[in-house]
Amino acid sequence: GESVGLHLPTLSVQEGDNSIINCAYSNSASDYFIWYKQESGKGPQFIIDIRSNMDKRQGQRVTVLLNKTVKHLSLQIAATQPGDSAVYFCAENVGTAGNKLTFGGGTRVLVKP
Amino acid sequence: DAGVTQSPTHLIKTRGQQVTLRCSPISGHKSVSWYQQVLGQGPQFIFQYYEKEERGRGNFPDRFSARQFPNYSSELNVNALLLGDSALYLCASSFGLNTEAFFGQGTRLTVV
Repeated sequence: GESVGLHLPTLSVQEGDNSIINCAYSNSASDYFIWYKQESGKGPQFIIDIRSNMDKRQGQRVTVLLNKTVKHLSLQIAATQPGDSAVYFCAENVGTAGNKLTFGGGTRVLVKP
Repeated sequence: DAGVTQSPTHLIKTRGQQVTLRCSPISGHKSVSWYQQVLGQGPQFIFQYYEKEERGRGNFPDRFSARQFPNYSSELNVNALLLGDSALYLCASSFGLNTEAFFGQGTRLTVV
């Protein structure tokens, strides 16, 4: 079946630097994409989302970029902080299918002091 | 405001037993979805309920069932438990059928 995948399983970043997490998706019908952050022992926490009619969306310290041509999604975290250490998942959804999110395998971000 | 609440937080069951997990969505949310997260992997979709009707089902055996009550809370039932059912079971609520989904803390199920 079609799925969402990630390029890097682990990302180590120095505190204060910017982080970029990448994600590839294969379902061309997907029209809604979400980034979640999951800390140990907790459920996924919504970070930011983007719909397929947009290329870029910014939040507080985070930016999501969507390239539909190559089916690529990225999450940029500015000025990474120790509290950003977690596993990050991208998820995709086909609009007509309800909230049937397809998650990737996750990228662990480790922030070094 | 309370977020999505799930109970119990942890559970240990024996192979062959049955388990019921519970979820209360955010107030005002009408949709509840269930996901299974095996250690080291991303969550996998099991069910979505909206307005008390099943609106989506993932690739899980018939041992898995769910329902949604008039107050929009939901239960996930798993019969004839297998060791491979050990996972974190996550509930997500959303206002509509295809709107932002918020996850609970999950129920950690261990089957021994």
